[in-house]
Amino acid sequence: RKEVEQDPGPFNVPEGATVAFNCTYSNSASQSFFWYRQDCRKEPKLLMSVYSSGNEDGRFTAQLNRASQYISLLIRDSKLSDSATYLCVVNMGTGSARQLTFGSGTQLTVLP
Amino acid sequence: NAGVTQTPKFQVLKTGQSMTLQCAQDMNHNSMYWYRQDPGMGLRLIYYSASEGTTDKGEVPNGYNVSRLNKREFSLRLESAAPSQTSVYFCANRETYNSPLHFGNGTRLTVT
Repeated sequence: RKEVEQDPGPFNVPEGATVAFNCTYSNSASQSFFWYRQDCRKEPKLLMSVYSSGNEDGRFTAQLNRASQYISLLIRDSKLSDSATYLCVVNMGTGSARQLTFGSGTQLTVLP
Repeated sequence: NAGVTQTPKFQVLKTGQSMTLQCAQDMNHNSMYWYRQDPGMGLRLIYYSASEGTTDKGEVPNGYNVSRLNKREFSLRLESAAPSQTSVYFCANRETYNSPLHFGNGTRLTVT
């Protein structure tokens, strides 16, 4: 089993739709969680951190379920500019060896 | 404020050639990382440096060496390039062990 698993998609949705991605992780001791966005042939960029109580940033909502070991990202009112690959990232390990493990990404295309 | 800067942006090598990928940061973060990204594989950690003067192996260190001579710079060296090292390489840093990563623009390397 992969340490961090994501549905690769692709997800093709019309503009204005709501879309949700899930990501499961294997290490129950994982400490912190993030969603990144990556545009084609560009570097990953931090979209948002994921907090235990859930958090929202505009049209984006992130949630953490420790009991079931998954995090989710909800995008409301999708825009064409939201088309990208979304990477789930989990911080595992201890101390200086704590490493960020990346999922393979979920591809989203928002259609006009 | 450039953040994390990588050079070169593109490179083509012949099998057996050597080269060094350069990475520099102006964010004064202790930890620096080298990842490679291949289609369908996600980002995989090659080496990391928790602080100036220290380096440790990541998930896929074979065929690479690194050098962290000062806080600002972290270089990745390929001593004898192989076609399997064709990839996109990203350098990154982060402030603390629970912080997200900040990425450079990447180096696209092709080994023929």
